[in-house]
Amino acid sequence: EDKVVQSPLSLVVHEGDTVTLNCSYEVTNFRSLLWYKQEKKAPTFLFMLTSSGIEKKSGRLSSILDKKELFSILNITATQTGDSAIYLCAVVDYGNNRLAFGKGNQVVVIP
Amino acid sequence: ETGVTQSPTHLIKTRGQQVTLRCSSQSGHNTVSWYQQALGQGPQFIFQYYREEENGRGNFPPRFSGLQFPNYSSELNVNALELDDSALYLCASSLGGGNEKLFFGSGTQLSVL
Repeated sequence: EDKVVQSPLSLVVHEGDTVTLNCSYEVTNFRSLLWYKQEKKAPTFLFMLTSSGIEKKSGRLSSILDKKELFSILNITATQTGDSAIYLCAVVDYGNNRLAFGKGNQVVVIP
Repeated sequence: ETGVTQSPTHLIKTRGQQVTLRCSSQSGHNTVSWYQQALGQGPQFIFQYYREEENGRGNFPPRFSGLQFPNYSSELNVNALELDDSALYLCASSLGGGNEKLFFGSGTQLSVL
């Protein structure tokens, strides 16, 4: 069974800080890893990673995948209060059509 | 905003009752997946529908069933509700049964008393 472990489960930072979120996984036949941001209810797509070592960037957010060590990192620089959310990591196995999610990283950014 | 709409937004039921949740997929998307998210947990895959056929199912009992209609909207039905069914039910649409990039709706918050 696919397994995704995220750390830290929750953290509180001040505006302007940099945040690093970790996602480690076990999957039989890795296809992709996805990051979502969940502010209230609907998770919104951030990144999809399939290849090791290629950083994906979107504004202050970036993510990278290490397929050898089986983990991904999501970085948020110069955090803002609007970055407060739960960040969900999910993996997809070639053998099925489902996303296997971790418990999420809850980030609180205080002014 | 993803264009995926779910109804109702909130629902309160008692144990043993039945419930139907509805989802309209994003325009052009032919695949709908349903996830259950308990408090403090990540979403758990229930099942996926692709072109009106079930296309994968997670570890949920048969009392969780679904439908997809010709316009690709979908329903999730849960019979004989249990207290542990209290959760946020998320619907997600995508283009193609093997497409992992999902667009989620805002969910239905179900409380079972």
